[in-house]
Amino acid sequence: DAKTTQPTSMDCAEGRAANLPCNHSTISGNEYVYWYRQIHSQGPQYIIHGLKNNETNEMASLIITEDRKSSTLILPHATLRDTAVYYCIVRGFSSGSARQLTFGSGTQLTVLP
Amino acid sequence: EAGVAQSPRYKIIEKRQSVAFWCNPISGHATLYWYQQILGQGPKLLIQFQNNGVVDDSQLPKDRFSAERLKGVDSTLKIQPAKLEDSAVYLCASSLDLWAKAFFGQGTRLTVV
Repeated sequence: DAKTTQPTSMDCAEGRAANLPCNHSTISGNEYVYWYRQIHSQGPQYIIHGLKNNETNEMASLIITEDRKSSTLILPHATLRDTAVYYCIVRGFSSGSARQLTFGSGTQLTVLP
Repeated sequence: EAGVAQSPRYKIIEKRQSVAFWCNPISGHATLYWYQQILGQGPKLLIQFQNNGVVDDSQLPKDRFSAERLKGVDSTLKIQPAKLEDSAVYLCASSLDLWAKAFFGQGTRLTVV
């Protein structure tokens, strides 16, 4: 059962910010939002995660709405190397399947020169 | 820092043959995962180990798939006999513990003909 909804594909111009949306309207209070990306022919790569506050690291920023039903991953200055499939994942920290990283189909981001 | 190592990178076998994949996780990582990724889909968890014990194998087709992590470090995933629908990329990942972020290897691309 998909816990997240993402657009199938998006384009972004090189050097501009890429804003990738994710809906997770059924998220519960103890579940985190994780983002991974998968560049062609490579394994998924961790980007960032958050609970309810906005988060920023060297790769990206994560903006989570106040009601936690959606979030946006922001790549501030997209480069051609950011072309990848981006996965938004809701992950709990209790035991069992809620703790697993369950991947959906993700968003194919294409950065255009 | 060495990442998750997998071998082989590519494997082509005929249906009904057997095949094995090997994974060496990041040093010190107690949790190890095997994922299957069919073309065009997100990775699907097959099995998860904590040290040398199985935490979750609910999606592992146990009639043909088996996995072990005997000494709590390296792991092997075996398919016997292989079917055409097993053609996929098999990804290994590891994390410090059950709740930490996971790091993925590059995967083994299996083609069953």
